[in-house]
Amino acid sequence: DAGITQSPRHKVTETGTPVTLRCHQTENHRYMYWYRQDPGHGLRLIHYSYGVKDTDKGEVSDGYSVSRSKTEDFLLTLESATSSQTSVYFCAISAFGGNEKLFFGSGTQLSVL
Amino acid sequence: AQTVTQSQPEMSVQEAETVTLSCTYDTSESDYYLFWYKQPPSRQMILVIRQEAYKQQNATENRFSVNFQKAAKSFSLKISDSQLGDAAMYFCAYRTTGGGSEKLVFGKGTKLTVNP
Repeated sequence: DAGITQSPRHKVTETGTPVTLRCHQTENHRYMYWYRQDPGHGLRLIHYSYGVKDTDKGEVSDGYSVSRSKTEDFLLTLESATSSQTSVYFCAISAFGGNEKLFFGSGTQLSVL
Repeated sequence: AQTVTQSQPEMSVQEAETVTLSCTYDTSESDYYLFWYKQPPSRQMILVIRQEAYKQQNATENRFSVNFQKAAKSFSLKISDSQLGDAAMYFCAYRTTGGGSEKLVFGKGTKLTVNP
């Protein structure tokens, strides 16, 4: 299995509080991604990174920010969590572009009350 | 923007039978990659099979094969000799190539039930 660790695995928080999810990889892969998974929507891309300090928005980036100061870490921040951000969040990595497969983390279940 | 459509929210199949999951996509690009991912109840995402758009030959991986119709923008997954362990959510995905914006776009998924 690819070395991807997401933390925390589960989190319950209150509306309006800031939340940071962490993705850590030991593969030295260039690309890192944050997805959210919701019933009826599949996986939707939030943000992705194609190198240190190089990030771009996905299709559902509103309310989220990311940072990548090191190759191995990709942080996802909810500045002020809302109930609509209750979801399962997946981090994924890949080495190169093209047909390189994505390796996924185990996901973080986030509940915003 | 590219979109991926899986028109079957749920499918069921009898053990040992064959089932086909549908996927269509929309793109203006000529070079891209297509994938099928499996997500069992454990939540782990597992790559089942992938197809390069420039290859005419359909990809196969043991009991899993695809029917790739580039002109029709169709990419269906066939599972032969279905097993109980095949029960899962299946996601079709599209990936663009080059330019640094190589993100993966997913369909909404098809839930496959395998009946004993």
